[in-house]
Amino acid sequence: GESVGLHLPTLSVQEGDNSIINCAYSNSASDYFIWYKQESGKGPQFIIDIRSNMDKRQGQRVTVLLNKTVKHLSLQIAATQPGDSAVYFCAETRRNFNKFYFGSGTKLNVKP
Amino acid sequence: EAQVTQNPRYLITVTGKKLTVTCSQNMNHEYMSWYRQDPGLGLRQIYYSMNVEVTDKGDVPEGYKVSRKEKRNFPLILESPSPNQTSLYFCASSLALSGRVYEQYFGPGTRLTVT
Repeated sequence: GESVGLHLPTLSVQEGDNSIINCAYSNSASDYFIWYKQESGKGPQFIIDIRSNMDKRQGQRVTVLLNKTVKHLSLQIAATQPGDSAVYFCAETRRNFNKFYFGSGTKLNVKP
Repeated sequence: EAQVTQNPRYLITVTGKKLTVTCSQNMNHEYMSWYRQDPGLGLRQIYYSMNVEVTDKGDVPEGYKVSRKEKRNFPLILESPSPNQTSLYFCASSLALSGRVYEQYFGPGTRLTVT
């Protein structure tokens, strides 16, 4: 099967600081990478995606960076807020493949 | 309200007793999928469906069945549940025809315990 993993299981940041969540993948054929946020007791929620032909994509307060050379992607959250506390998952898929592989998740704790 | 609903939300059952977890979406999405979530393993895909009457295996399909007779519904069937199927299950849906299949909307989850 595919391998999509995360470097750190838990990340604690101070409110207002920037957060960086990392993810490694192993399949060079991956076309799309997706970040999901899962709050306690809820289903995952789509945050942002990036295609393999891009290095960077920005959303509202979030930026995803993709480094295909080392098969690594990261999610940067600017000015982290208490509402950002959640588990973050990266996922990977391929065009027209329709199967998804998720990492094990990173828990983000935002300290007030 | 656009949403994915699952029923039941919590279920405790015994080994071998057939059960069905229902999933319904009101967004006219073509793509639907089932995942299980276990501690330390993230989400693993069980089955997915690109459209009515089109289903395919995910990464961990053993012990599960699905059907897609209507666009809005995608039930997950456990014919003979076993304790290793104790897990948190999520249904998800997304638009496939517009190329946004990876922007999945997830249901609230079903906590299943098999004793």
